[in-house]
Amino acid sequence: QSALTQPPSVSAAPGQKVTISCSGSSSNIGNNYVSWYQQLPGTAPTVLIYENNKRPSGIPDRFSGSKSGNTASLTISGLQAEDEADYYCNSYGGSGTPFVFGTGTKVSVL
Amino acid sequence: QLQLQESGPGLVKPSETLSLTCTVSGGSISSSSYYWGWIRQPPGKGLEWIGSIYYSGSTYYNPSLKSRVTISVDTSKNQFSLKLSSVTAADTAVYYCARYDFQGAFDIWGQGTMVTVSS
Repeated sequence: QSALTQPPSVSAAPGQKVTISCSGSSSNIGNNYVSWYQQLPGTAPTVLIYENNKRPSGIPDRFSGSKSGNTASLTISGLQAEDEADYYCNSYGGSGTPFVFGTGTKVSVL
Repeated sequence: QLQLQESGPGLVKPSETLSLTCTVSGGSISSSSYYWGWIRQPPGKGLEWIGSIYYSGSTYYNPSLKSRVTISVDTSKNQFSLKLSSVTAADTAVYYCARYDFQGAFDIWGQGTMVTVSS
């Protein structure tokens, strides 16, 4: 099963908002939960969002998730320099490939 | 605080078998609420799910790797392991072990271990 599709990069100035899309199909995103991960340079990923729009404790509320049809989105409001990282979506992919990641998006803070 | 730690050789020769172990500390691998998995990331590339295992031994593999992958669990040692056979340079990557929560996220990750396939 192919990876979920994300834009390679997005950028914005500090304080602005960025939205990262994650496109899939009815076999994955359309009928399953989506999670989002942040990967700072040289470190392991950490979960930002689970069950489409829920934040684990300790994750700032400027990170938000949503889903519509076969596409999920991660929005970072009030962008900060420390948000410069790679971001990945993930969804259950069905019995063929239970877990599938997105292609990844690099967020740059101008 | 539950922690995961990968261990194993950092260098594997082509055609040989890559073997890694993930040790779970601060909690039990036998919890019925989680899967345990392996994910890899080639240098400069994205994340690829390799496979996952339940404490009972039920396994799920990425179809693209299924013919070469074996994941096993040892509940007595609170560990699970990855074996990837017939490796090539394309298998060079950082390998992570992670816990998958039934709420739908890989919520705890190991720090990762770099494995290079080279003669």
